[in-house]
Amino acid sequence: EVQLVESGGGLVQPGGSLRLSCAASGFTVSSNYMSWVRQAPGKGLEWVSVIYSGGSTYYADSVKGRFTISRDNSKNTLYLQMNSLRAEDTAVYYCARESIGIAAPFTLAYWGQGTLVTVSS
Amino acid sequence: DIQMTQSPSSLSASVGDRVTITCQASQDISNYLNWYQQKPGKAPKLLIYDASNLETGVPSRFSGSGSGTDFTFTISSLQPEDIATYYCQQYDNLPPTFGQGTKVEIK
Repeated sequence: EVQLVESGGGLVQPGGSLRLSCAASGFTVSSNYMSWVRQAPGKGLEWVSVIYSGGSTYYADSVKGRFTISRDNSKNTLYLQMNSLRAEDTAVYYCARESIGIAAPFTLAYWGQGTLVTVSS
Repeated sequence: DIQMTQSPSSLSASVGDRVTITCQASQDISNYLNWYQQKPGKAPKLLIYDASNLETGVPSRFSGSGSGTDFTFTISSLQPEDIATYYCQQYDNLPPTFGQGTKVEIK
């Protein structure tokens, strides 16, 4: 069974850093397309970043240069390193992966429960 | 970036009603369009992929259609458990972008 469990969220001051983790089970992170999607309080969904199975990474313009997506194959875990955090980064952050059997990296069939990041002084 | 415009932003319907949500892309996205359901406090759930394909395990009262720039999502007979916010999402171009959501309530 595919499972994704995020952790690492919390309260951080503007300009600070935080690293989110997404522990995966039931599949191999390095063999799939893994995304981070966020949702500000009361707002809609915003795609943040993806890491392809081959290792290529892409970012939304709103986080480019500040966030870094990575994975640890030995721990089967996805990460999102967030630096220079701003108030507008406050959101629930979800990790997600593509649907099994569909070769579409952004058809997100599996999601974690989300972890809340609050950027405030 | 491709802009996705959903309408309406919210609707209220009775149990058993047919509910229709539209999604318009700012440019041609072929059929690279997904629909998600999100209940309060929960992660989104994939319902429809490639505009019209029902994800495994999703009830057949949900359906999608369209191609190019105009898409439609339909609940053929609204059930109490369908109360949620629904999002369309394009993945023709990076970055993948979502519509602003449609909140569905029971009248």
